[in-house]
Amino acid sequence: EIVLTQSPGTLSLSPGERATLSCRASQSIWSSKLAWYQQRPGQAPRLLIYDASSRATDVSDRFSGSASGTDLTLTISRLDPGDCAVYYCQQYDTTPWTFGQGTKVEIK
Amino acid sequence: EVQLVESGGDLIQPGRSLRLSCTTSGFTFGDHDVSWVRQAPGKGLEWVGFIRNEAYGGTAEYAASVNGRFNISRDDSKSVAYLQMNSLKTEDTAVYYCIRGGAYYDYWGQGTLVTVSS
Repeated sequence: EIVLTQSPGTLSLSPGERATLSCRASQSIWSSKLAWYQQRPGQAPRLLIYDASSRATDVSDRFSGSASGTDLTLTISRLDPGDCAVYYCQQYDTTPWTFGQGTKVEIK
Repeated sequence: EVQLVESGGDLIQPGRSLRLSCTTSGFTFGDHDVSWVRQAPGKGLEWVGFIRNEAYGGTAEYAASVNGRFNISRDDSKSVAYLQMNSLKTEDTAVYYCIRGGAYYDYWGQGTLVTVSS
C-alpha cells in the first residue's frame, strides 16, 4: 500500500499570501496518477487537481499542482478566506487507492 | 446537472448488515465506474472500493479493511449503485460518500451517516 504523508498538519496564513502544501508518497508514483481535494466544513470533498497538475473544471487558476518522484505539491497563490478548508492528496496509481491525512488551511 | 444521492444510512448494531444506495442522474451511468469513500467522524478520507463499468467487466476492488464484508454492485437500468455492508464493526462508523469515477473523483454525493453501535 502506498502511504501518503501530508505536511504541515495545519497552515495558518494571511489573505493574499501563498500556501504550499506537501504530500510525500512512500514510493515513487511516476504515472502522475495523483489528485488533490478541498473539503470545507460540513461539505463533501471537491476535486481540485488530477493527474498531478491538471485543474478540474471550474477550479481557480490560483490552485496548481506538481509532482516529482515521491513528492507532490499543491500551491494556492493569493489566499482567499474561502480557501479555509482541509486539503487531501490521493494516489490512484496502485490499489488500494490511498489518501493523505489532510492539511488544514486557516486564514488569519 | 450531475447528481449522486446516497441513502440508507442508519444506527445499527455491530454484526448486523446494511445496504446503502446511490441514486444518480445527469450523466450516462453505465459509462462510468462508481466508488465509495468513507470518513469517520473528525477523521480523514478512506477509500472503500469501486466498481468498474460493464465495458470493463463490472468487477469491483475493495480496501483490505472491508474486503470480504462489503460488496459493491450496480444496476445500470436504474442508474443506481449499492454498497452492501455485512458483519458491521464499530470502526465502520462513518459518513459514506458515493462518487462518480474509479480513479480520481469529480462528482460526490452529500454522504450518508452509518453509525455502528450497541
